[in-house]
Amino acid sequence: GQNIDQPTEMTATEGAIVQINCTYQTSGFNGLFWYQQHAGEAPTFLSYNVLDGLEEKGRFSSFLSRSKGYSYLLLKELQMKDSASYLCAVRDSNYQLIWGAGTKLIIKP
Amino acid sequence: TAGITQAPTSQILAAGRSMTLRCTQDMRHNAMYWYRQDLGLGLRLIHYSNTAGTTGKGEVPDGYSVSRANTDDFPLTLASAVPSQTSVYFCASSKGGDYNEQFFGPGTRLTVL
Repeated sequence: GQNIDQPTEMTATEGAIVQINCTYQTSGFNGLFWYQQHAGEAPTFLSYNVLDGLEEKGRFSSFLSRSKGYSYLLLKELQMKDSASYLCAVRDSNYQLIWGAGTKLIIKP
Repeated sequence: TAGITQAPTSQILAAGRSMTLRCTQDMRHNAMYWYRQDLGLGLRLIHYSNTAGTTGKGEVPDGYSVSRANTDDFPLTLASAVPSQTSVYFCASSKGGDYNEQFFGPGTRLTVL
């Protein structure tokens, strides 16, 4: 079967750095996406990785290791507005997205 | 630019009734998707359409049907609602091709009693 694993919840302090991990087992791999979803809102795109390595975009970075079936999202200089759920999704051999259940990130002052 | 709109925002529906959730995008995207999101579970694909005139079944298609008569609209119909279809429904679209970032509508919160 296909499986995406993420921690259910994480807590971090404003101004700090947090790393959200995602491991996956899917039928094929055609890219990995990270989305942010604030409570009661729609998911919004953060990052896309298809090759191994680190993609940096401002305060957010995403890393991929295809051989390990592993990715992480790194958030730096945390702000209160970063309190949200972070969704990991893998595009499988049918080019459909398989979604993790999401990691709820709580930022404390 | 509106992006993707969904209607209604929320709905309470009696079991056994039918309902159509509407989704419209103005980005001229080829591909459109319907997901349901339930607490503790990832987004699950119900149906998708890679281009106008074609549709396909996702992970959880039973009890739902879709049509794609044109590029902009992708309605989702529940023929006879059941309580297990209580969920938040998101419509999404993408250009298609290799990049395939999906853009999401605001969602419809449906309660079936």
